[in-house]
Amino acid sequence: DVKVTQSSRYLVKRTGEKVFLECVQDMDHENMFWYRQDPGLGLRLIYFSYDVKMKEKGDIPEGYSVSREKKERFSLILESASTNQTSMYLCASSLGVSYNEQFFGPGTRLTVL
Amino acid sequence: GEDVEQSLFLSVREGDSSVINCTYTDSSSTYLYWYKQEPGAGLQLLTYIFSNMDMKQDQRLTVLLNKKDKHLSLRIADTQTGDSAIYFCAESREAGGSYIPTFGRGTSLIVHP
Repeated sequence: DVKVTQSSRYLVKRTGEKVFLECVQDMDHENMFWYRQDPGLGLRLIYFSYDVKMKEKGDIPEGYSVSREKKERFSLILESASTNQTSMYLCASSLGVSYNEQFFGPGTRLTVL
Repeated sequence: GEDVEQSLFLSVREGDSSVINCTYTDSSSTYLYWYKQEPGAGLQLLTYIFSNMDMKQDQRLTVLLNKKDKHLSLRIADTQTGDSAIYFCAESREAGGSYIPTFGRGTSLIVHP
């Protein structure tokens, strides 16, 4: 059974803290993605990676960075968390081919106080 | 305007058919997808259609594709309360040799008795 796991389901942090969200996939997928999901705004792409050590900005990269040192792991970093980064964060992975079904993790609900 | 557009809410009575509509912009999308998100979970692929098809049927689900108008629809026959979820339409675009999805904002389907 294919799996994408995220390090935490719920996280509460304080403004200004550095936050790490981890995502691991066991499907040997090339592509990995980080999204945030907010009511009425749908999924917004923060960053994606199509290979180890490669990263591309998505639609809303400001305030975030990412790291992909190994193929199976993609980390999202909030350098200095702010209250407007309170959201649901979803990680996904896919093959980098034309049929690219995305496999999602369960999400991390982050609250920044 | 948005790349993928869909209405935000749909309310139906149990046993009726539900039709969720979507318009997209990238005519080069080879595949178009419907994902389902149940409360508290990540997205999961529900069905997809290849761009050279007009229709695809899978049990209670029917996907219709009008390439000329860039319109995609998902019909759920005999809608049940377990179908209550958010449904996302998605297309794929090629970027840097890989394929990146673009999601609509999601349609919340509410099924009432």
